Amino acid sequence: AAGVIQSPRHLIKEKRETATLKCYPIPRHDTVYWYQQGPGQDPQFLISFYEKMQSDKGSIPDRFSAQQFSDYHSELNMSSLELGDSALYFCASRPLGRGGEQFFGPGTRLTVL
Amino acid sequence: GNSVTQMEGPVTLSEEAFLTINCTYTATGYPSLFWYVQYPGEGLQLLLKATKADDKGSNKGFEATYRKETTSFHLEKGSVQVSDSAVYFCALYGGATNKLIFGTGTLLAVQP
Repeated sequence: AAGVIQSPRHLIKEKRETATLKCYPIPRHDTVYWYQQGPGQDPQFLISFYEKMQSDKGSIPDRFSAQQFSDYHSELNMSSLELGDSALYFCASRPLGRGGEQFFGPGTRLTVL
Repeated sequence: GNSVTQMEGPVTLSEEAFLTINCTYTATGYPSLFWYVQYPGEGLQLLLKATKADDKGSNKGFEATYRKETTSFHLEKGSVQVSDSAVYFCALYGGATNKLIFGTGTLLAVQP
């Protein structure tokens, strides 16, 4: 069965650089979520999109932005990277009407040096 | 606001031991409750869910019952295996929010 695809799986950046993370949701899932997970922490909700429109916003820094494209893939853009941005970034997608039943991708591990 | 509290880990058990990981929640309305599992180096996977009071979710030998009177959703398994070693997250969705709220996670280590 198709799963959520994220790329790249690993990314190393310097401080003040920019990064773009990509997410390809499961086909026919209508909602995409982005989460940030620091070491030993629970995932923190960043932002979500429903049918390509931003639907909710969590603790996403102003330096970050995201969008969902016509083919339903989503990108998380991160600028002026800081050491504290080093984390696992997960994308999840959700089938129509399935509430909290989200399908997570394998994550992108971002390391900021 | 909505929140989830789960027992701190790590929980270390021998194979075939009984497992309980406690989870309680605070929420307005009637949320759905979930247990997600995260194996090392992987993303979260839905383990089980319950959408209303007294529902029991079950999967792979794990069970949890939605107890509204005690606002709890404790995870149990009768006989754990080494392959169950992972981090387990309790989560809620709904009520006054349309996003998943996670607990802090509990690391389970099962020794042979």
